Amino acid sequence: NAGVTQTPKFQVLKTGQSMTLQCAQDMNHNSMYWYRQDPGMGLRLIYYSASEGTTDKGEVPNGYNVSRLNKREFSLRLESAAPSQTSVYFCASSGAGGTRLDQPQHFGDGTRLSIL
Amino acid sequence: SQQGEEDPQALSIQEGENATMNCSYKTSINNLQWYRQNSGRGLVHLILIRSNEREKHSGRLRVTLDTSKKSSSLLITASRAADTASYFCATDARETSGSRLTFGEGTQLTVNP
Repeated sequence: NAGVTQTPKFQVLKTGQSMTLQCAQDMNHNSMYWYRQDPGMGLRLIYYSASEGTTDKGEVPNGYNVSRLNKREFSLRLESAAPSQTSVYFCASSGAGGTRLDQPQHFGDGTRLSIL
Repeated sequence: SQQGEEDPQALSIQEGENATMNCSYKTSINNLQWYRQNSGRGLVHLILIRSNEREKHSGRLRVTLDTSKKSSSLLITASRAADTASYFCATDARETSGSRLTFGEGTQLTVNP
């Protein structure tokens, strides 16, 4: 099993450009998450989807949008990229449904995004 | 400061030694999780310990939880070079609105051969 797959692995954008980060999981998990990881700040939750058809804001949602396309796929869109969004982005999924957080989260290997 | 804070920020030991990392948090929790991250990779779940548990083991890993002190520790026994990674604690805080884990900034462990 592939687990959680993120594409692309690397991307360089210019300020103002848009792009969509893709994430897919093959574990039939209900919940999916998008995080960003910056040096010295740990992981911060951007958006999450507790079940198919629902999405909610996390700690740092400004400048991002998400789509839970189906149970497998959860995409993150930057509409107008800014240098402050330079980061490593991780997608994760969990078998816990609804608002439960009592199951491990499974992470992809990340997308390294640089915005010039 | 963050809900989960690891201590120390960096730890360097020799192969075969034990490594202990600590995590402190501020509010009551439902559970606490430990994750490992190898350089350039995603996080990998290690152990989940619930608020009513005091200790859990998994192979060479031992996690303790002291809810009265709002702290947890991760012990890796007989460390190996392959244990070199960053280790993060994550808390599911009862008072946190919404549904999310809060990650600490991590401890960078280096195991020298």
